[in-house]
Amino acid sequence: KAGVTQTPRYLIKTRGQQVTLSCSPISGHRSVSWYQQTPGQGLQFLFEYFSETQRNKGNFPGRFSGRQFSNSRSEMNVSTLELGDSALYLCASSLTAAALEAFFGQGTRLTVV
Amino acid sequence: EDQVTQSPEALRLQEGESSSLNCSYTVSGLRGLFWYRQDPGKGPEFLFTLYSAGEEKEKERLKATLTKKESFLHITAPKPEDSATYLCAVRTGANNLFFGTGTRLTVIP
Repeated sequence: KAGVTQTPRYLIKTRGQQVTLSCSPISGHRSVSWYQQTPGQGLQFLFEYFSETQRNKGNFPGRFSGRQFSNSRSEMNVSTLELGDSALYLCASSLTAAALEAFFGQGTRLTVV
Repeated sequence: EDQVTQSPEALRLQEGESSSLNCSYTVSGLRGLFWYRQDPGKGPEFLFTLYSAGEEKEKERLKATLTKKESFLHITAPKPEDSATYLCAVRTGANNLFFGTGTRLTVIP
């Protein structure tokens, strides 16, 4: 059974640019959550999607947005990149919105220069 | 305010030297507590789910326990390959998932 797949694994962008990250959840899982991980802050919740609807949102600026498609794949977009956006972005999939366990992908390492 | 605190931040053990990692939590309505292992540059790997106080789960050299205020991850006779960051997370009654900042474990041969 394939796990959570995130693409790309590594990305280098320039300040002011925008970026789109992709996440394919475990087959059959319909809930996808996104997290930002930095050495100082740990894992910070960005948002959660279920059945193409955003169910929950963390405390991040509007430059961070996401969406989910009918096949449960999800994308996350960051516009007007700042140096502080450099982080490991992690996607987690759960069977349903009410499911307890979340399974993570390998992450996308974003570096903003 | 929902909060998860892990201690210590870092732990160095000799191979074979058993120890415990702590995760204390203050949340509204605990639905589950999870332990993950994370290797550098990789995503967290799911280890255990604990649902209620008194519950215990074991996997190889790891044993997780849960009380009403905290969870412990006991590592028995660790090996160098157990070196990683161990993350604790709780699912609240509102279905939010909060993570601690982790304990970075180093096992020295």
